[in-house]
Amino acid sequence: GAVVSQHPSRVICKSGTSVKIECRSLDFQATTMFWYRQFPKQSLMLMATSNEGSKATYEQGVEKDKFLINHASLTLSTLTVTSAHPEDSSFYICSVLRFGLRYSYNEQFFGPGTRLTVL
Amino acid sequence: KNEVEQSPQNLTAQEGEFITINCSYSVGISALHWLQQHPGGGIVSLFMLSSGKKKHGRLIATINIQEKHSSLHITASHPRDSAVYICAPEETSGSRLTFGEGTQLTVNP
Repeated sequence: GAVVSQHPSRVICKSGTSVKIECRSLDFQATTMFWYRQFPKQSLMLMATSNEGSKATYEQGVEKDKFLINHASLTLSTLTVTSAHPEDSSFYICSVLRFGLRYSYNEQFFGPGTRLTVL
Repeated sequence: KNEVEQSPQNLTAQEGEFITINCSYSVGISALHWLQQHPGGGIVSLFMLSSGKKKHGRLIATINIQEKHSSLHITASHPRDSAVYICAPEETSGSRLTFGEGTQLTVNP
């Protein structure tokens, strides 16, 4: 299967600072990546769909000015949490979409996640 | 919006037992994913299926599109199977996933 990396795996920051999380597709070029957030004891929630070369599509309730997404290349998408607050502390996971090959439909490959703690 | 229900929420088993986790969803889908999340948080995709049945080692996944229901089975369960198992239907309209709440499986030696 494809390999997706995230960096950093864990980050602790002070309230008010910005944090950038990288998601890389190591095996193939991806025009579409997804960003998810998971609070403790809860399921994953889709935050936004990142499209290479165009603006990200955000889910309802997700502030696009607070969670900046940049899909700068076909192998890299970044999520920047701006002016982070303790309530932004969460587990952030990206996934990479590969269109159509083996099964004639799309496959998603998940990154290992980034645990953000805002003090 | 696709409503996803998984059962049970928590499951404790003895090593060697046969495990079944169920997933029901409310709207049409193009495929359904079963994911495994370990305590560290990393997610592994176990299966993606759109019909019938798939088997990988001790894991079996089935889906009934008409009944909007899928099951994940683990045969000869082992303590290393302890994890959260998540059902995630993929909407017909695209590749967005809707996630179930997950089933916490604990297999005791």
